[in-house]
Amino acid sequence: SQQGEEDPQALSIQEGENATMNCSYKTSINNLQWYRQNSGRGLVHLILIRSNEREKHSGRLRVTLDTSKKSSSLLITASRAADTASYFCATVRRNRDDKIIFGKGTRLHILP
Amino acid sequence: DSGVTQTPKHLITATGQRVTLRCSPRSGDLSVYWYQQSLDQGLQFLIHYYNGEERAKGNILERFSAQQFPDLHSELNLSSLELGDSALYFCASSTGALGGQETQYFGPGTRLLVL
Repeated sequence: SQQGEEDPQALSIQEGENATMNCSYKTSINNLQWYRQNSGRGLVHLILIRSNEREKHSGRLRVTLDTSKKSSSLLITASRAADTASYFCATVRRNRDDKIIFGKGTRLHILP
Repeated sequence: DSGVTQTPKHLITATGQRVTLRCSPRSGDLSVYWYQQSLDQGLQFLIHYYNGEERAKGNILERFSAQQFPDLHSELNLSSLELGDSALYFCASSTGALGGQETQYFGPGTRLLVL
């Protein structure tokens, strides 16, 4: 069953703008991860945030986690054409066997 | 390039047939994971092997089986194929046995088309 749900399903923005994607989940988690997938290719791990962390940065990426609302957001600042991809959140549920459960993803399109 | 390799890249076969997908993990990684990605189901975890032993099972059908060999490469066997098995199959690897607690590195995938 789906644990993470990304919102929006698709997003188009102008190059240089910031892109924000959200993820909501249903049960308590150990950690939440964000992945990027370029069309038809393998997933690339972007960032992992643990349940006791609230915010994490990696380059132009900023991830927040609100466990009380069971939600996370991924912010990409100063977007570039190369950021065009699908972005997935993935959760690892607490007290389970460390399986990753992926959402259906947000398709991000950066317009030139 | 993640360092994870998968063969073949593309596979076209008929219903009822059996295929084998192969994965070589990154050098030094002991865990291999298999995922299926389809339009309607999204990305689904199938199975996790660590150092030759099965660690966790996900939504893997009984018609599917996997194994990890002593050299750590893994094979995913899909039998009695149905149209609905058409999907992208990804392999990922990680250093330890912690599954979702650690970073997984994904291969480029095998695109399976069942006609």
